[in-house]
Amino acid sequence: AQTVTQSQPEMSVQEAETVTLSCTYDTSENNYYLFWYKQPPSRQMILVIRQEAYKQQNATENRFSVNFQKAAKSFSLKISDSQLGDTAMYFCAFIDRGSTLGRLYFGRGTQLTVWP
Amino acid sequence: SAVISQKPSRDICQRGTSLTIQCQVDSQVTMMFWYRQQPGQSLTLIATANQGSEATYESGFVIDKFPISRPNLTFSTLTVSNMSPEDSSIYLCSAAVRQETQYFGPGTRLLVL
Repeated sequence: AQTVTQSQPEMSVQEAETVTLSCTYDTSENNYYLFWYKQPPSRQMILVIRQEAYKQQNATENRFSVNFQKAAKSFSLKISDSQLGDTAMYFCAFIDRGSTLGRLYFGRGTQLTVWP
Repeated sequence: SAVISQKPSRDICQRGTSLTIQCQVDSQVTMMFWYRQQPGQSLTLIATANQGSEATYESGFVIDKFPISRPNLTFSTLTVSNMSPEDSSIYLCSAAVRQETQYFGPGTRLLVL
């Protein structure tokens, strides 16, 4: 079974600083995708970044980047130059590329607060 | 990506009644999903809505309680039947534009009294 673990229930960072959110996962599959989703107080789930397991290069989207360590099954999210609008719950998620069901496995989330 | 809308955005219902939530995608998608998110919790998959066939339910969720329709490749509904206060949650639909990437609707916030 696939599991996703986020060990930090809450984190905080000052505006303009950098913060890293941790995520580990457990799977016996070799071909999969990893995601970070953001859920602000509006409750809209927003895709932040996506990583394909077969790609060694870490994904980057503007101020958001990941550190993907496949052997360690680790997938952390780094937010640079944090902004007040980054305040949200962040969920790490996993999907097995070979699954016909398309089932996403979510972690429990990390509540990030950005302070002015 | 895909733009997904849900109706209603929120509702307050009496116990014993039913509520149907609609999910509309701006493009044809193969797979649509329904999730429940209880207060302070992560997302729990209720079922996969299959076009032209019955939905595939996760363990703990049954068709009598959560009937789902998927009449075409852009639309799905979830009904929460015979509601109790324990059904108070946010219900989210998602769509897989490509098999592996899901985009979410804004959610329906349900309160059952």
